[in-house]
Amino acid sequence: SQKIEQNSEALNIQEGKTATLTCNYTNYSPAYLQWYRQDPGRGPVFLLLIRENEKEKRKERLKVTFDTTLKQSLFHITASQPADSATYLCALEGAGNYQLIWGAGTKLIIKP
Amino acid sequence: NAGVTQTPKFRVLKTGQSMTLLCAQDMNHEYMYWYRQDPGMGLRLIHYSVGEGTTAKGEVPDGYNVSRLKKQNFLLGLESAAPSQTSVYFCASSSLAGGTDTQYFGPGTRLTVL
Repeated sequence: SQKIEQNSEALNIQEGKTATLTCNYTNYSPAYLQWYRQDPGRGPVFLLLIRENEKEKRKERLKVTFDTTLKQSLFHITASQPADSATYLCALEGAGNYQLIWGAGTKLIIKP
Repeated sequence: NAGVTQTPKFRVLKTGQSMTLLCAQDMNHEYMYWYRQDPGMGLRLIHYSVGEGTTAKGEVPDGYNVSRLKKQNFLLGLESAAPSQTSVYFCASSSLAGGTDTQYFGPGTRLTVL
C-alpha cells in the first residue's frame, strides 16, 4: 500500500529564508499530489495541487515540485514569515478510489 | 457561506456510550469524508460518501457508522465508544473525487473516551 513520509522533526527557519519541506512516497506514482496547511486546533487548509505532468507549480511565495522518478515532492516557502509557522501536510490520491492518503505532516517554525 | 461545520467541538464519553457527530456543508459538494487524526499519524479515512444516500468504508471503519440522508449532511456514529476512539475527528467535503480536487475541512471534534 502507498506510504507517505514527511519529516517528523520540526523544521526551524530564520525569517526571510526559504523553507523547504519534503514529501516522499513509496509505491505507485499518483496522478495528483496536494499540500495543506494546518494550524493548531484547526482543520487542514488547501494550499496547492500539482499533477504528475506538472513539474512545478507556484502560488505567490509558495512553490511545489513533483518528481515522479524520485517519488518526491518538495514544498518551498520563500521569504518566510513567522505567520507561516504551521504544520504542512502532503496528500496523494489513493489508487483507483476516491481517497486521499495523508502524510503525518512537518511542523515548520519561522523564527523572527 | 459557512463552509464545513461540525458539532460538537468537544465531547467526553465513557466507554460503551454512544454519540453522533454532525457535519454540514453549504457548498453543494457531492463528496464528503470523515477522518480521524492521531498524534504522529496522518489523517486516516473512516468513511466517505460520493453522494446523497451513499456511504463507503475507508481505511479505519470499524466501530463507526455513517449516514448521508441529505446532500449537505454527513453523520458519524459511535455505537459503543472505546478508549481507542479517543481522537480528533475531521469532516471534509469536495466537489470532485478525493485526489483530484480540493478538500474543505471543518474545525474538528475533539473526542475523549474514558
